[in-house]
Amino acid sequence: AAGVIQSPRHLIKEKRETATLKCYPIPRHDTVYWYQQGPGQDPQFLISFYEKMQSDKGSIPDRFSAQQFSDYHSELNMSSLELGDSALYFCASSKGLAGARDTQYFGPGTRLTVL
Amino acid sequence: AQKVTQAQTEISVVEKEDVTLDCVYETRDTTYYLFWYKQPPSGELVFLIRRNSFDEQNEISGRYSWNFQKSTSSFNFTITASQVVDSAVYFCALRERVGNQFYFGTGTSLTVIP
Repeated sequence: AAGVIQSPRHLIKEKRETATLKCYPIPRHDTVYWYQQGPGQDPQFLISFYEKMQSDKGSIPDRFSAQQFSDYHSELNMSSLELGDSALYFCASSKGLAGARDTQYFGPGTRLTVL
Repeated sequence: AQKVTQAQTEISVVEKEDVTLDCVYETRDTTYYLFWYKQPPSGELVFLIRRNSFDEQNEISGRYSWNFQKSTSSFNFTITASQVVDSAVYFCALRERVGNQFYFGTGTSLTVIP
């Protein structure tokens, strides 16, 4: 079965640079979530989109922005990168139906390293 | 405040032993959803199980079993006859009726020694 696709899988950036992470949800899933997992930490919710509209916002820094496109893929844009942004970024998707929507399927993650 | 507590930070067992991972949650919602995810060393998060708050029936899937007790707000996970491939970090998570985010516990790192 098709899973959530994230690209790139690894990314190395310098401080103050920008980065764009991409997420392609499972086919027919209309909801996308972004999480940040620091070293040895649990995943922290950043933001989510349902039908291309922002549906919930967590601890996403103002330097980050995200959007969901008409094909339901999502991009997380990160500017003025800081050393503390080094983390594993997960995208998850779910289907917007009652009940089934509650299970989020995670992608493999993008490991961002800021030097 | 942490909505999901996994008190066991690290557990080591010898292969073929049984092991139980504890999860305690906190919510005021009467409808909520509980999950377990496995994160192997490769880093991906693998979905294991989803349980609705109105369904307290315990579940068994092969060597895995889950014990959901609303009275104690616990959703424990037992691996029977553990194997080396079970070595991973296991996260318990809560989703409340309102809102889209998951609240993860801090994870339990399980090491199965051959």
